[in-house]
Amino acid sequence: GENVEQHPPPLPVQEGDSAVIKCTYSDSASNYFPWYKQELGKRPQLIIDIRSNVGEKKDQRIAVTLNKTAKHFSLHITETQPEDSAVYFCANDMRFGAGTRLTVKP
Amino acid sequence: GAVVSQHPSRVICKSGTSVKIECRSLDFQATTMFWYRQFPKQSLMLMATSNEGSKATYEQGVEKDKFLINHASLTLSTLTVTSAHPEDSSFYICSAPELPGGRTEAFFGQGTRLTVV
Repeated sequence: GENVEQHPPPLPVQEGDSAVIKCTYSDSASNYFPWYKQELGKRPQLIIDIRSNVGEKKDQRIAVTLNKTAKHFSLHITETQPEDSAVYFCANDMRFGAGTRLTVKP
Repeated sequence: GAVVSQHPSRVICKSGTSVKIECRSLDFQATTMFWYRQFPKQSLMLMATSNEGSKATYEQGVEKDKFLINHASLTLSTLTVTSAHPEDSSFYICSAPELPGGRTEAFFGQGTRLTVV
């Protein structure tokens, strides 16, 4: 299958700071790029996604940017809050990145 | 959004027995479903793609005779772990895309925590 690489693995941040998680993919034909949030013991939930016809999409404190030339897309969370603490996964063609454990310290 | 229901949520079985996990799309039809396994603190690893009315497509390294997949209707896919061993203990989770093809939002079942003793 196609590769999806995600980093950083753990991402500790201070409450109120911004967090950025990046994924690179290999399938140049991909046109859909989602980000999922998974809390402990629960199913992944889609938080934002982007299609290849746009470069950026925002939803309140969350944004996703896409660089098709470089084949990477990033999740941006601003004004982080403790409830943002979870594991975040990018996905491409139904394959998931390794995950980033975001810990927001009060 | 669409709802995917997975059953059972937890199961404990003895080594050598088989366990069946069901994944249902409740309010939409899913010609394709995906099965993953997730070890503690790790990512979701795609095991196979379940196709309604045809054979499943397995990822490299996944034994198709051990992980039997059946997708007999547009709303139900099953994963059977045959001759289970303790190393099969894991969190198994299914998903179904909103639209055929997989390149849309995927909705996940609740997951099944399998413990083989």
